[in-house]
Order: sequence, then C-alpha cells, then structure tokens
Amino acid sequence: DAKTTQPTSMDCAEGRAANLPCNHSTISGNEYVYWYRQIHSQGPQYIIHGLKNNETNEMASLIITEDRKSSTLILPHATLRDTAVYYCIVDNTDKLIFGTGTRLQVFP
Amino acid sequence: GAGVSQSPSNKVTEKGKDVELRCDPISGHTALYWYRQSLGQGLEFLIYFQGNSAPDKSGLPSDRFSAERTGGSVSTLTIQRTQQEDSAVYLCASSLVSGGAGAKNIQYFGAGTRLSVL
Repeated sequence: DAKTTQPTSMDCAEGRAANLPCNHSTISGNEYVYWYRQIHSQGPQYIIHGLKNNETNEMASLIITEDRKSSTLILPHATLRDTAVYYCIVDNTDKLIFGTGTRLQVFP
Repeated sequence: GAGVSQSPSNKVTEKGKDVELRCDPISGHTALYWYRQSLGQGLEFLIYFQGNSAPDKSGLPSDRFSAERTGGSVSTLTIQRTQQEDSAVYLCASSLVSGGAGAKNIQYFGAGTRLSVL
C-alpha cells in the first residue's frame, strides 16, 4: 500500500504557483520523498526528491516539514504542459509504490 | 541521449496467446524495473533486476508472468496464456543506482506497451 495521502485533484491558473501537498505521517528516518508526474499517455517522469532539507531544481521545489510528516511540491510558474498526475512516493527500497496521485489541471 | 525504449508500443492479442514485451534500458543503467498500469489506476510494481543479483519477483501477479534480462541490458517480459485482465500498459524503467543518496529510486521510464487482450 502507498504510504502517502494526496488530494485527488487540483486546479491552477497558468502562470501561478502550483502547490501540491502530500501527507506521509508514517515516514521513517531513512525514507526519501520522491515526486514523479505522468502526463497523459506517457511514462512517469522523475521531478525531485529529498530526505530532510528543502530541495530545488529546474523543474520544481520540494518543501519538507521539520517533522517530515508532510511535504509540498511547488511548481513556481505553472504552464499548460504541467497538466498531469503528480505522485508523491516515500521509500528507501528499490521499488516505487505509486498511489493514485493528484491530478493537476492547469487552465488558461 | 537515448531514453528507455519499449516495443511494441501497442499489442493486441487473443485470450490464451503468449506475448513478449521488450525493454531496452538506458545504456549503463544497472537496475531495470517492470510495472503495469491498468486503465485509470496507479502503477503496480512487477519485477526488479539489479546487476547479477537474483531478481525481485515479488510483484508478479501469477506464474503466467515471467521476465528475464540478458547480458545485463535488454529485458523481456513474457505473459503466457493471456487473460482479459492482463490488459494494461506495461511500463519499463531503469536507474543508475549508484548515483548517490536516494538516487536509486530516480527511475527513467519508457513510454510503455499497451496490451489489449481480446
């Protein structure tokens, strides 16, 4: 079973920041938080991952709370091409356990 | 550079037939994974290969499913005596594993093979 809880769907206006929350209250000390997304009819795409500290790359920022029980993926300036299902995954093994994710709809 | 390549992109077969799905991972990636995604569902782990170690087959749904990885590169997923419930998109991913903390789960996915069992 997935160890994370995400909202089923979210909307975001183009150009605005998209903030996608994820709860992982049972996370253990050595488990990383990974974010992937899946655009329609494509394979999942890695976005970012982190352990304790906030992380930023060219795609997004990852904010992890101090107790590590939740995190937020931030797309700073959402575009229509960011419309996808976003998966938050917590694991330290070799298998990614995907839940149902958040369907983000970016509208003009 | 080349990503993960899967073939065929689409496969239609009749119930009871065997099918083979192929995955070419990114060159140099030592880990290879198979997942499947049924319509409207999340991804389901099937099997994982890492170097010369015995594969992790814990996700295979039945003994009709098998996979092999030859020469540490190309992998084939075989489904024998296909059933209608096997209809899904089968996704392959590879990763570098040795890329540092947390990197082993940075997986690169192919576009998948859409299998339809009539």
